Amino acid sequence: KNEVEQSPQNLTAQEGEFITINCSYSVGISALHWLQQHPGGGIVSLFMLSSGKKKHGRLIATINIQEKHSSLHITASHPRDSAVYICASLNSGGSNYKLTFGKGTLLTVNP
Amino acid sequence: GAGVSQSPSNKVTEKGKDVELRCDPISGHTALYWYRQSLGQGLEFLIYFQGNSAPDKSGLPSDRFSAERTGGSVSTLTIQRTQQEDSAVYLCASSLVPQSSYNSPLHFGNGTRLTVT
Repeated sequence: KNEVEQSPQNLTAQEGEFITINCSYSVGISALHWLQQHPGGGIVSLFMLSSGKKKHGRLIATINIQEKHSSLHITASHPRDSAVYICASLNSGGSNYKLTFGKGTLLTVNP
Repeated sequence: GAGVSQSPSNKVTEKGKDVELRCDPISGHTALYWYRQSLGQGLEFLIYFQGNSAPDKSGLPSDRFSAERTGGSVSTLTIQRTQQEDSAVYLCASSLVPQSSYNSPLHFGNGTRLTVT
């Protein structure tokens, strides 16, 4: 059974700081999602990756398949980045639809 | 529509009543997913539709939960004889094809917050 662990659970930063959120998983996967959930809002898919690195604006996601680890980085953080960030894995060799979710990291960026 | 639409956005119901939650996916998306997010818990997979078929219902918590999808579009999640532990945010998502395709990201609705009193 795949287990997805995120750290930290809570993160408070000052505007402008570089943020890193970590995600580790226990079994081989075919893809990993990073999701963003604003308070009271829906969920937005930020990245879906299976290897290497992806960048979108100030957000960077990396994955190391051998170490079963992924990171989400936010450069020059801003209060509007405050949200819950969730990683979710899609197991390899299994279904092509069933995600296993981490419990999320609550990020608060203060002005 | 432009995105995944869910209704109602909030639902308060008395224990024992039945509720229906609706999801209208992005037009043309063949894959539709229901998830549940309980307070303090992570997201939990409930059911997946490919077209109108649900090949995997294993995530449904009990036989009080059922879901259907018609016309390859709108889906309804029904909870019968609601219990307090059913209180949660129910989220729907859709994707063009199942997620194994890297060009098929998930699009989520804003969810239905269900409160059972």
